[in-house]
Amino acid sequence: GEQVEQRPPHLSVREGDSAIIICTYTDSATAYFSWYKQEAGAGLQLLMSVLSNVDRKEEQGLTVLLNKKDKRLSLNLTAAHPGDSAVYFCAVSASSGSWQLIFGSGTQLTVMP
Amino acid sequence: EAAVTQSPRNKVTVTGGNVTLSCRQTNSHNYMYWYRQDTGHGLRLIHYSYGAGNLQIGDVPDGYKATRTTQEDFFLLLELASPSQTSLYFCASSDGRVSGNTLYFGEGSRLIVV
Repeated sequence: GEQVEQRPPHLSVREGDSAIIICTYTDSATAYFSWYKQEAGAGLQLLMSVLSNVDRKEEQGLTVLLNKKDKRLSLNLTAAHPGDSAVYFCAVSASSGSWQLIFGSGTQLTVMP
Repeated sequence: EAAVTQSPRNKVTVTGGNVTLSCRQTNSHNYMYWYRQDTGHGLRLIHYSYGAGNLQIGDVPDGYKATRTTQEDFFLLLELASPSQTSLYFCASSDGRVSGNTLYFGEGSRLIVV
């Protein structure tokens, strides 16, 4: 079955720097890709999602890149600020009529002032 | 207003104890899920349901039962709690669309089994 690896597990950056989180997946049929953010003491909230026909999506300082050849998904936070400090998860699902999301192991992002 | 509400938020029980975690959603979603979150493992699916009275087994179901009494309410039951079930539990709901399934999560229930 699908396996998702996420790295790094911990990431510290200075305010204004960019932060990049990467997930790799194994199933070439994976069709739906998403990123969730978990703030301290809260549940996960969807940040952005893309289908497999999209290579790049930008929204409000976030960029999602999808490299289907390398089976790699990345989230780039440009100009990070302390409010971005949280745990980030990638989640993917296959195209075979599957709704089930497979989550990465999470990245704890700390943005220092 | 929170659309997925879990209770209790924190619970401590002894080994062999009986625990019920409750979840209510007001999203009118058909699908509901129970996940556990552990460091290094991300979120792992325990059980899920696509409607009242329905129950499906997830990836890590051992030691857990679940029941979906209404469209809104989904319960996770640990009848003989063990220390390995110490974890952070999340309930979520979704409309289950296969073209892009967005999950809406509750705030989590932290369970400690001593």
